[in-house]
Formats: sequence, C-alpha cells, structure tokens
Amino acid sequence: SQQGEEDPQALSIQEGENATMNCSYKTSINNLQWYRQNSGRGLVHLILIRSNEREKHSGRLRVTLDTSKKSSSLLITASRAADTASYFCATRQIQGAQKLVFGQGTRLTINP
Amino acid sequence: DGGITQSPKYLFRKEGQNVTLSCEQNLNHDAMYWYRQDPGQGLRLIYYSQIVNDFQKGDIAEGYSVSREKKESFPLTVTSAQKNPTAFYLCASSIEGQGARNIQYFGAGTRLSVL
Repeated sequence: SQQGEEDPQALSIQEGENATMNCSYKTSINNLQWYRQNSGRGLVHLILIRSNEREKHSGRLRVTLDTSKKSSSLLITASRAADTASYFCATRQIQGAQKLVFGQGTRLTINP
Repeated sequence: DGGITQSPKYLFRKEGQNVTLSCEQNLNHDAMYWYRQDPGQGLRLIYYSQIVNDFQKGDIAEGYSVSREKKESFPLTVTSAQKNPTAFYLCASSIEGQGARNIQYFGAGTRLSVL
C-alpha cells in the first residue's frame, strides 16, 4: 500500500531557483527519508529525518517534518541542471516489519 | 567497490516463460528487497528478506517468487502467472536490526519487457 503522497507530481524551474517538494503520509512513522532517481537508474539516498526532529540540512538540501500534519518538505536551494531527477519520500513505520513505503515521486526539471 | 549488482540490465520474456532477475550485494547487509516501478510511478514492494532462508511477501507478490539461500544473493523469478510483467525492477539492501534506520541502497535496475 502506498502511504506517501507527493506534491507536485512535476516541477519545472530555472537554474538557480529553489525547488520545494512536499510529502504527506498516513500512519505514525519512525523516520522519513528522501531519495533521488535519475532517469532509468536506481534510487540514491539523500537525507533521513527522525520522527523527533523538525528540520535537517545537508548541503543544499533542507528537510522539514511536521508529525502533527503528517507531512514533510524537501527544499533544494540554488538548483543546478544536474539536480534534474525524480525525488521520492519514503517512510519507515513504527509498527510492522522494517520496510519503507515510498511515495509516487516528484519529477523535477531544472532548465538552464 | 561495495554495492549492489543487478543483472541483466535488459530482459525480454516470451509468453508463458519464467525469467529470473539477479541481485547480488557485497555490503554485508542482512535485509534485501525487490521493488517494481511502472512508468512515472513510485516503487511497489514485491518481496523482502530480513535474514537468510526467510522472506515475506510485499504488496504485489502474486506472480513472483524469490529465494534467499545466501546472504549476498536475492534472485527474483517472474513467473508466467504474472500477466503484466513489463516494468523496471529494482533491488535494494539495508542493515537490519534494532536501531537500524533502514536506509536502502539500490542497484541500477533491470528493465523487463514482454515479446
């Protein structure tokens, strides 16, 4: 069952602008992760935020988590053409087996 | 180099044929996973294994089978019972156990098409 809903499904911006993607989920989580997928390739882990954290930074990435709203956002600052990819949120639930539930993804295009 | 290797990169299946996708990891991870990805969609879990000789069905296991005889290997068989097998298949692995964050490492994928 797909837990994550991502918004928008597709985003196109100019190089240098900031890109924001949102993820909503349904059940209580242990952590939330963001992954990146270049076209036709496997996924690469970007950043993890625990359920007791509200914000986390890694380079040009900023992730926020609001457990009361069951939502997260990924901000990519000063975007580059190489950031063009699909971005997926994935949640690890508190109960049940250790597995991730992935969202549908946001397809990000950075125009030079 | 440590990582996950999936083979082949492209695979074609004839009507009524079973095909097997290979996934090998040298990361010494306990857990391994198979996902299916359809065009423009997210990942759906087919099967996962948290330890050798044990595996569980995911959300879309019908028409698929797996084995986990070795820690390093988790092959996926797409059987003739899977009527719509055309998709991109991704294998992943992660560290298992208490406190594990379940960060998953992915292979490059196998694209399966029906002839």
